[in-house]
Amino acid sequence: EIVMTQSPATLSVSPGDRATLSCRAIQSLSSNLAWYQQKPGQAPRLLIYGASTRATGIPARFSGSGSGTEFTLTISSLQSEDFAVYYCQQYNNWPLTFGGGTKVEIK
Amino acid sequence: EVQLVESGGALVQPGGSLRLSCAASGFTFSNYAMTWVRQAPGKGLEWVSAVIGSGTTTYYADSVKGRFTISRDNSKNTLYLQMNSLRAEDTAVYYCAKRTLGDYYFDCWGQGTLVTVSS
Repeated sequence: EIVMTQSPATLSVSPGDRATLSCRAIQSLSSNLAWYQQKPGQAPRLLIYGASTRATGIPARFSGSGSGTEFTLTISSLQSEDFAVYYCQQYNNWPLTFGGGTKVEIK
Repeated sequence: EVQLVESGGALVQPGGSLRLSCAASGFTFSNYAMTWVRQAPGKGLEWVSAVIGSGTTTYYADSVKGRFTISRDNSKNTLYLQMNSLRAEDTAVYYCAKRTLGDYYFDCWGQGTLVTVSS
């Protein structure tokens, strides 16, 4: 099983600032990584797939980068609606696995 | 509009069984693999199981293998999860989600159904 490690667990950011979230895998995923956003009481929403491709309707302030074992989700200028928990998910190998999540909170 | 609606969640005793359903609409259901993902209270996401569009190939997390069975009825546009030998650690919100045509990432999710395993 590919273990996915996200850091930090919690990120305190002021509105308008940049947020950088990390996701690390124990073995290479190529670019087979997705990012999701989840707000309290809601289902996850797909943000990024293929490590760097934005899903339909996702604002350009969200960007993904990386390949292999190291991946990053960047939110360039945090808006109020961006405060949420973010998960990475690998789909390079079975079983599919998620990271433990990064909570982005208001500083 | 693509829509997924889960149902069947309930309070069940340890060792009991439950069947979850996920009714799909707004897309050609048989063309897409589907999955179940769960989230224990206050915890992260855990992938549970997946099934391809035809229903002939299934995948399971080790934590549920041998106890849970995923299936689908393409004539009814419905995905199922039969859960047997339930344990306290199976307590979670269970989401169904639709795979994209690209690969096993998920572009549409239901709102979830709560399964509580407790005596």
